[in-house]
Amino acid sequence: NAGVTQTPKFRILKIGQSMTLQCTQDMNHNYMYWYRQDPGMGLKLIYYSVGAGITDKGEVPNGYNVSRSTTEDFPLRLELAAPSQTSVYFCASSPVKARARNQPQHFGDGTRLSIL
Amino acid sequence: AQKITQTQPGMFVQEKEAVTLDCTYDTSDQSYGLFWYKQPSSGEMIFLIYQGSYDEQNATEGRYSLNFQKARKSANLVISASQLGDSAMYFCAMREETPGYSTLTFGKGTMLLVSP
Repeated sequence: NAGVTQTPKFRILKIGQSMTLQCTQDMNHNYMYWYRQDPGMGLKLIYYSVGAGITDKGEVPNGYNVSRSTTEDFPLRLELAAPSQTSVYFCASSPVKARARNQPQHFGDGTRLSIL
Repeated sequence: AQKITQTQPGMFVQEKEAVTLDCTYDTSDQSYGLFWYKQPSSGEMIFLIYQGSYDEQNATEGRYSLNFQKARKSANLVISASQLGDSAMYFCAMREETPGYSTLTFGKGTMLLVSP
């Protein structure tokens, strides 16, 4: 009963380093999302995907890249880490909208990332 | 204009009392959904309750109910008989049913503290 799994849980990066935040879900959900949550704020959408091979930008995509080669996996890539990317990152998934109007997004436990 | 507004940065309530957390939203869509999530200090996002724009009755889930006033564009969360474990951050979110995608927009949240 794993749901949405994110790794790592914590990471410290130096400015200019790159890394990939991993996200996998075992619920066969078509929709997947990446959010960031800055201190004292709500979640802001970075990227989302409506299915394997299809991704699109959210509200704050700059500095990030994503790919969706399988239904299960939706990794988020930071190419040149900057202090402004210090945040908590959440991955989420949800069923196809038309068949599940009232289905919520299921969230992973988050990755706490610090850029120093 | 913000799509989701939560005007209460913090709320205090005594154990066993009821509390209302405010949420107003802005959309021109006729079909949309409203969600409330709880984020305890451990950081995970927990789905609480959903209200669809076409639902005629207010949603209820155990001690949680949603006071949905469509004309006023408000979707307030009511927690009855507060418990110490209800102390957490609460986020209101809206999903607009624009064809082709299904993303959530979050408010900034309300911190609820329940005292004995």
